[in-house]
Amino acid sequence: QKEVEQDPGPLSVPEGAIVSLNCTYSNSAFQYFMWYRQYSRKGPELLMYTYSSGNKEDGRFTAQVDKSSKYISLFIRDSQPSDSATYLCAMKRDTGRRALTFGSGTRLQVQP
Amino acid sequence: DSGVTQTPKHLITATGQRVTLRCSPRSGDLSVYWYQQSLDQGLQFLIQYYNGEERAKGNILERFSAQQFPDLHSELNLSSLELGDSALYFCASSVAEGGSSGANVLTFGAGSRLTVL
Repeated sequence: QKEVEQDPGPLSVPEGAIVSLNCTYSNSAFQYFMWYRQYSRKGPELLMYTYSSGNKEDGRFTAQVDKSSKYISLFIRDSQPSDSATYLCAMKRDTGRRALTFGSGTRLQVQP
Repeated sequence: DSGVTQTPKHLITATGQRVTLRCSPRSGDLSVYWYQQSLDQGLQFLIQYYNGEERAKGNILERFSAQQFPDLHSELNLSSLELGDSALYFCASSVAEGGSSGANVLTFGAGSRLTVL
């Protein structure tokens, strides 16, 4: 079983829809939770990160972490065709292992 | 442009061959990470270097090796290539070593696409 599970999609929504992307994880030591966006033929770029549980908002994007359920979400409001990309969640322990553990990514398509 | 430079962008080679992928980290970053991305496995951590020293190993095969040079650029060497090694190889860099508390935000390059025929 993978440490981080993510539905690969693809997820297709109309422009303006609210998008919900999710990851579950099994390692309770994870404390930092990140969302990366990857456009086709590009490297992943960081969207936002949160520490421990709670919500964080940045423009149209909201990240939520529920450590009790080992479940994280990324919400995109008023989705745009330019949001079409693969979204990867990533996690890290507070100390110890240095590298990030990634989910396999969810491919999102926003239809104009 | 993320500031992390990877070469070559594309590489096609045959089974049994050896290739070298190169990465220049973002200015000021001391840590370099190598990841492999394939369709069925997602982003898999291979190895990390910090200021020239190996710091962490992930799922890196014995046929693969890496190093970080004094100017902080890094090379990933892949030998005795197999069909299953076909993938995107990403380099990422960060300021910190990443072992202490902190998010350790990684900046990724555009990747090197390796095709083994």
